[in-house]
Amino acid sequence: DAKTTQPPSMDCAEGRAANLPCNHSTISGNEYVYWYRQIHSQGPQYIIHGLKNNETNEMASLIITEDRKSSTLILPHATLRDTAVYYCIVRPHQGAQKLVFGQGTRLTINP
Amino acid sequence: EPEVTQTPSHQVTQMGQEVILRCVPISNHLYFYWYRQILGQKVEFLVSFYNNEISEKSEIFDDQFSVERPDGSNFTLKIRSTKLEDSAMYFCASSLTRTDTQYFGPGTRLTVL
Repeated sequence: DAKTTQPPSMDCAEGRAANLPCNHSTISGNEYVYWYRQIHSQGPQYIIHGLKNNETNEMASLIITEDRKSSTLILPHATLRDTAVYYCIVRPHQGAQKLVFGQGTRLTINP
Repeated sequence: EPEVTQTPSHQVTQMGQEVILRCVPISNHLYFYWYRQILGQKVEFLVSFYNNEISEKSEIFDDQFSVERPDGSNFTLKIRSTKLEDSAMYFCASSLTRTDTQYFGPGTRLTVL
């Protein structure tokens, strides 16, 4: 089973920042937090990942709390094309490498 | 930017027939994966493959399924005798190392009639 909890749905206005929360209270020290998204039925698209430091790339920022029990994915200026299901996945750095997907958060960007 | 490709995009088959789904992973990647997603459900892991061997498989990946890397570029998933419940999107993924990010292909929609 997925080790993360996400709200089932969220709305955001176009041009605003979208902040997607994820709880992973049972995360262990060697587990990374990964974010993917899925637009319609396309293949999951990698967004960003982190261990304990905040991370930023051209798509998004990832903020991980100091205790690592939760994180937030930030899309700084959401567009209509960011409408998708967003998955937060906890993945060990060693051992089994399969990705365990939950239900994710369905983010709808409104014009 | 390198990407994973999959063919065909849509496959329709009759129950009991064999199907082969094809994937071309990112060229320098060494680890390969298949996942599936039944309509309206979660993405589920099927199998991982490295060095011409299965490294991990799920309960879904039973004797009806097999994977192969027949040449230096393709990675295939074969379903020997399809069932109605095999209808799903099948996604191939690849990664450079075991712990590296997995990149997914666009998927093959399999419809079993």
